[in-house]
Amino acid sequence: SQQGEEDPQALSIQEGENATMNCSYKTSINNLQWYRQNSGRGLVHLILIRSNEREKHSGRLRVTLDTSKKSSSLLITASRAADTASYFCATAAATDSWGKLQFGAGTQVVVTP
Amino acid sequence: EPEVTQTPSHQVTQMGQEVILRCVPISNHLYFYWYRQILGQKVEFLVSFYNNEISEKSEIFDDQFSVERPDGSNFTLKIRSTKLEDSAMYFCASKWETQYFGPGTRLLVL
Repeated sequence: SQQGEEDPQALSIQEGENATMNCSYKTSINNLQWYRQNSGRGLVHLILIRSNEREKHSGRLRVTLDTSKKSSSLLITASRAADTASYFCATAAATDSWGKLQFGAGTQVVVTP
Repeated sequence: EPEVTQTPSHQVTQMGQEVILRCVPISNHLYFYWYRQILGQKVEFLVSFYNNEISEKSEIFDDQFSVERPDGSNFTLKIRSTKLEDSAMYFCASKWETQYFGPGTRLLVL
């Protein structure tokens, strides 16, 4: 089955540093989305990148997509303590008309002041 | 900014009881979803709903589960006879292109 799998599982950085996390998936996709989840809370949509796009920016976030390698990365620049959360990639399969998302296990990011 | 809302935020129930989880999707969205996340695990797809019917469901979504859109705004997930393993956070989502998730209902089955 197609799943996004994030790497690393956990990341601990200092405020001001950049955080990079990667996501790999197995089959063709329509799009890939990144979400943030604070502990025990809801999923906040961060960014959507379509399969024909290679890079997208939103504020301090930069997402890349390499469909030949079936991978994506999320870069958070100049991290803040408030960025502490779990980050998930989720893929919408090209073969799925209804757009269900398949989530990875997430990367837990801790940003210390 | 429009958002998906869910009620209740928390629900505690006894095993074997029925629960109904409620969601109000974003108003111009056409696709609706339920997902769940067991504590410490991945978010899992349960069911998608389009044009007033189930479009896709996972193997988790067995006969104990049902969904309804009773009045054109609410979207509900019913679990007929809850089991201990149904304890999880349940998320509703709606989509135009991007899926937006509600804050979740934390269900605890005792």
